[in-house]
Amino acid sequence: NAGVTQTPKFQVLKTGQSMTLQCAQDMNHNSMYWYRQDPGMGLRLIYYSASEGTTDKGEVPNGYNVSRLNKREFSLRLESAAPSQTSVYFCASVGQWVNQPQHFGDGTRLSIL
Amino acid sequence: DQQVKQNSPSLSVQEGRISILNCDYTNSMFDYFLWYKKYPAEGPTFLISISSIKDKNEDGRFTVFLNKSAKHLSLHIVPSQPGDSAVYFCAASAEAGGTSYGKLTFGQGTILTVHP
Repeated sequence: NAGVTQTPKFQVLKTGQSMTLQCAQDMNHNSMYWYRQDPGMGLRLIYYSASEGTTDKGEVPNGYNVSRLNKREFSLRLESAAPSQTSVYFCASVGQWVNQPQHFGDGTRLSIL
Repeated sequence: DQQVKQNSPSLSVQEGRISILNCDYTNSMFDYFLWYKKYPAEGPTFLISISSIKDKNEDGRFTVFLNKSAKHLSLHIVPSQPGDSAVYFCAASAEAGGTSYGKLTFGQGTILTVHP
């Protein structure tokens, strides 16, 4: 049982390049989330998908787009990468919102030069 | 505006002693609180949670205490073990009303080091 799988694990981009981060969960969860983790700032929500077919902005959505491809997959796209987007990106999922913890993938470490 | 704060960036404890990690929040709408543990190069792993209708929840060596009037929660680890060395994040959600969609607000994290 893989849980939440993120690809790639590492990536180096040049400023202005585009990239899609992939996330898939095999727990039949309804809701999925993208967070970024920066030193001293904890995890901050970028976008979320409360259910298949819906997406919405989180706390720090600028510079990103998302696609909920199906119930299993939720991708995060950087259209024109900037050095400020250098971070570790985590995908998470949860089956129901009430009193249930989110399950996280192992992250994608992204460096933008 | 940091709605969830962990004011201690790091904590060092001797093996066998108690570790106490603290977390403060400002949003009175938060009603579900969680602690996650994170090892390097891995994702956060759920540790323990508490609903605002309780003031204490235990799971083995881990106990979370919630003081709603002070908007404060703490995680106690007894006894501490070297394998507990990790970054600990507290997180909060406002679930009542069904409009939070499970969104979590995280603290900055506390690095716990347990020395043998």
